[in-house]
Amino acid sequence: AQRVTQPEKLLSVFKGAPVELKCNYSYSGSPELFWYVQYSRQRLQLLLRHISRESIKGFTADLNKGETSFHLKKPFAQEEDSAMYYCALSGRKSRDSNYQLIWGAGTKLIIKP
Amino acid sequence: NAGVTQTPKFQVLKTGQSMTLQCAQDMNHEYMSWYRQDPGMGLRLIHYSVGAGITDQGEVPNGYNVSRSTTEDFPLRLLSAAPSQTSVYFCASSIIRDRPGEQYFGPGTRLTVT
Repeated sequence: AQRVTQPEKLLSVFKGAPVELKCNYSYSGSPELFWYVQYSRQRLQLLLRHISRESIKGFTADLNKGETSFHLKKPFAQEEDSAMYYCALSGRKSRDSNYQLIWGAGTKLIIKP
Repeated sequence: NAGVTQTPKFQVLKTGQSMTLQCAQDMNHEYMSWYRQDPGMGLRLIHYSVGAGITDQGEVPNGYNVSRSTTEDFPLRLLSAAPSQTSVYFCASSIIRDRPGEQYFGPGTRLTVT
């Protein structure tokens, strides 16, 4: 089954500490993976996509096909990183269906001062 | 550009009532979708559309109807509201019709059904 798993509902770290938000996926084809972020009282927005291999707001994420993971990392957390983070996979549920985003349950990141 | 807009922002319904959540985008995106967001469950796709006149069901379509008469608008209708439909509803659009990875979201509608 096509699935995205974010094992941590809540992650709390101190400012300046490294952050790693975990994302594992199950997908039979070639996946396209994304991280979305939702700051308090703001709309959901795209943070990263694995294809572009970029760093946004100090965050990076590498697709590891062997481990079927797409963990989001930042070496030094900042208070403004506190938000809800969602990992998502663009894929098809079956050969006959259209592409959709398949979402993880989300991880709430809290950065303590 | 206003991007993706949704109305209303908040709504309280009684069980059995019907209503329409409005969604519009001004980016000429072909792909539009409706999600519901529930604690601990992430976003679940209700219905989506790959262009005017074309809609399809997502993961949780029961109790909801959609139509897409124009590129800009994609309303979501609740036929007979139930407490299980209490949720936050997001509309999103994507410029990529066939593989909608990057999606632009509306601000959401918080719906309570009593």
